[in-house]
Order: sequence, then structure tokens, then C-alpha cells
Amino acid sequence: KAGVTQTPRYLIKTRGQQVTLSCSPISGHRSVSWYQQTPGQGLQFLFEYFSETQRNKGNFPGRFSGRQFSNSRSEMNVSTLELGDSALYLCASSFEGAREKLFFGSGTQLSVL
Amino acid sequence: AQSVTQLGSHVSVSEGALVLLRCNYSSSVPPYLFWYVQYPNQGLQLLLKYTSAATLVKGINGFEAEFKKSETSFHLTKPSAHMSDAAEYFCAVSSLRNDMRFGAGTRLTVKP
Repeated sequence: KAGVTQTPRYLIKTRGQQVTLSCSPISGHRSVSWYQQTPGQGLQFLFEYFSETQRNKGNFPGRFSGRQFSNSRSEMNVSTLELGDSALYLCASSFEGAREKLFFGSGTQLSVL
Repeated sequence: AQSVTQLGSHVSVSEGALVLLRCNYSSSVPPYLFWYVQYPNQGLQLLLKYTSAATLVKGINGFEAEFKKSETSFHLTKPSAHMSDAAEYFCAVSSLRNDMRFGAGTRLTVKP
């Protein structure tokens, strides 16, 4: 059974650009969550999607958005990139949500120059 | 709002020694508590999970954690550290709202 797949693995952007990250969950999983990981802030919850609907949202500005498709694949978009957006972005999937085991991808390392 | 606090950003033990990683939680509702491990350049893997069935939870790789409601704690232990245990460990809390929150993490170093 394939695990959670995140693409691309590495990304370099400049300030002001926008970026789209992709996450393919484990087959059958309907919940996809996104996290931002930085050395200073640790793991911070961005949002969770379940059956194409955003079910939970963390405390991030509106520049961070996401969506989920009917096949449960999810994308995360960050517009008007700032230097502080440099981070490892992790995606996690599960059948029902964060009350159960989350399966994480290896992440997308975003560097903003 | 629920949250977890991990005491100690870095813990160093000798191989064969006891591993103790501390986690305290704050939750207004019965919590779901988790420990995850992250190896370099990888995502997180679940070590164990507490869901009120038993206060002592056994996980993978010889780790276990005890839920103590009176102390609002969920400390992770392993009787004998192995070199392969060197990693970053995260305590996390969730509720019926499915909004998981992670602690800041504890980096475990194992000395030969």
C-alpha cells in the first residue's frame, strides 16, 4: 500500500511569488491535514480537509489556502511568499481525522529567497 | 483550546539507559494523546496513542507512556535506549474536533 506522497520534495521561490504543494493521501483516507514545521515554531497546524470540505483551520493568514479533490488528493497554496514562509510543509492523512493515527508524508521543503 | 508542553527541547542519554521524555497537556475535554517520532529528512511516525482504554499505553520499538489525569501528563519512557532511538519526539493532543496540536518536540541523543 503506497504511503502519503508529497510533491515536490524541494522548492525554491522568491519573495512575492506563489507556490502550490501537492499531497496524495493513502488510498481510502478521506482526511488530509497540513502542518508547517520550522525550527523556531515547531509543528503548526494549517488546516484539515475531509471529503472536499475544510473542517478545521489553524491560525495562519489568508495567504495560506488549500483544497481537496474528489479523489482526496489535496493541494496547499501560499500566495505572496514571505521569507518567514520558509519551512518544511507536512501533509498527513487518515480515515476519519486526527483522533486516530495520522500517516505523514516526507514533506516539501520550501525555501523563500 | 487544547495544547501540549514538552519539557526539555534536548535530552541526552547513554545507550542502555532509561529514556524519559516529558509531556503535559491542557484540554477541556477528554483528550486523545499521541507520541510521534521523526527521523531526519522524514515525516512523523506514530509511536503510540492514548484513547482512555488503558492508562499505560505500549507502543512500537519498546516505548510506552502513562496517562496521569491528576498530573495532566503523558510522559514517554523506554527502559533501555538504543542508538537507533536518536530522533525528535513529538507529543500531540487531539479531541473530537479532530484538531491535533503538537508540542515543540524533544530531540533525543543517545551516546555510545
